[in-house]
Amino acid sequence: EVQLVESGGGLVQPGGSLRLSCAASGFTFSSYEMKWVRQAPGKGLEWVSYISSGGSTIYYADSVKGRFTISRDNAKNSLYLQMNSLRVEDTAIYYCARARGAAAGTSMPYYFDYWGQGTLVTVSS
Amino acid sequence: QSALTQPASVSGSPGQSITISCTGTSSDVGGYNYVSWYQQHPGKAPKLMIYDVSNRPSGVSNRFSGSKSGNTASLTISGLQAEDEADYYCSSYTSSSTPWVVFGGGTKLTVL
Repeated sequence: EVQLVESGGGLVQPGGSLRLSCAASGFTFSSYEMKWVRQAPGKGLEWVSYISSGGSTIYYADSVKGRFTISRDNAKNSLYLQMNSLRVEDTAIYYCARARGAAAGTSMPYYFDYWGQGTLVTVSS
Repeated sequence: QSALTQPASVSGSPGQSITISCTGTSSDVGGYNYVSWYQQHPGKAPKLMIYDVSNRPSGVSNRFSGSKSGNTASLTISGLQAEDEADYYCSSYTSSSTPWVVFGGGTKLTVL
């Protein structure tokens, strides 16, 4: 059974840092691209960051570029999101998700077949 | 403002069918057969219901179906059940920019 379990969320002051983790099991983690997706309270879904299966290709949403760093440790079946210089508007539930599909032309994945339960990040003074 | 447009809410009675629309542009929904749909119950993670416009993952009820016409994709739920009450999000590949995925704003389905 595929499982993704996030951890590391919590309450942090503006300007602070947090490191989220996502533990994967039930599949060959090193073979899959992964993404972080967030959902602000009462709002829709927003893509945050992407990492290729080997970790060599990384992308960020403009809203987090320069502040967040995605990484993975395939030996530990784990995905991470280091969040620095946090802002009030970063308050959200953060989900890790397994990315699937390979769009013609870019070969980029475009849907998510498994999601974790999410971890809540609250940025407030 | 979300890249894809969905109605804020739809409703239906048990046993009825409902359709949720998802409107984009020729750079996303209209240009590719890469539309997916997610179901999210309160306090739960999203669940993939449809991918590639009309494909259902294993385990998803055949009461859920997807289609597309032009720049608008649709999710149809037939034989509505109380457990179908949830938020539904559409998503599409986009050629416009990184990350090549855009979401709709979500639709709240109420089963009367």
